[in-house]
Amino acid sequence: DAGVIQSPRHEVTEMGQEVTLRCKPISGHNSLFWYRQTMMRGLELLIYFNNNVPIDDSGMPEDRFSAKMPNASFSTLKIQPSEPRDSAVYFCASRGTGGLNQPQHFGDGTRLSIL
Amino acid sequence: SQQGEEDPQALSIQEGENATMNCSYKTSINNLQWYRQNSGRGLVHLILIRSNEREKHSGRLRVTLDTSKKSSSLLITASRAADTASYFCATALTGTSGSRLTFGEGTQLTVNP
Repeated sequence: DAGVIQSPRHEVTEMGQEVTLRCKPISGHNSLFWYRQTMMRGLELLIYFNNNVPIDDSGMPEDRFSAKMPNASFSTLKIQPSEPRDSAVYFCASRGTGGLNQPQHFGDGTRLSIL
Repeated sequence: SQQGEEDPQALSIQEGENATMNCSYKTSINNLQWYRQNSGRGLVHLILIRSNEREKHSGRLRVTLDTSKKSSSLLITASRAADTASYFCATALTGTSGSRLTFGEGTQLTVNP
């Protein structure tokens, strides 16, 4: 089975540019999570969706960040405008039906560098 | 502050030795999960222990949970160089904002051949 697929794997762009990260969850999974990982702050939950509906976006740093899940097989995380402090590894994870007692499956992340 | 905190932050052992990592947390939980992360990769789920369980095994992994002390430990027996990775505990709890995991800062394990 294909795992969670994220693209791009690496992104380098200049500050002020719009950045779009993409995620394809595992087929049949109904929850999707976006995380950010940095050395300073560790792994932080940004937002999560259940059945394509955003449930908790309290971790989204500010209005420059937005996430969408137009259907069960695709999600995007957008940063506009980007800033150097947004540099991090962004992970997407999905989880099957059964909720909290199911493990999360992570993609290999997008390493984002904002110059 | 972090819900889950691992101890130690870093651990270096020889191949064949056992590795023990600890995790403490602050609030009541539904379950506790352990994940491994190899360099440059995403997290991989290892084992889940529910709040009403005390011990669980999976291959060379043994996890314990003490809800009275709000702590868990992960034991890797007969370690191998391939076990070199970061290990994270994550606590699962359901709140008003649905169900989510909160990750600790991780333990970096190095297994020397």
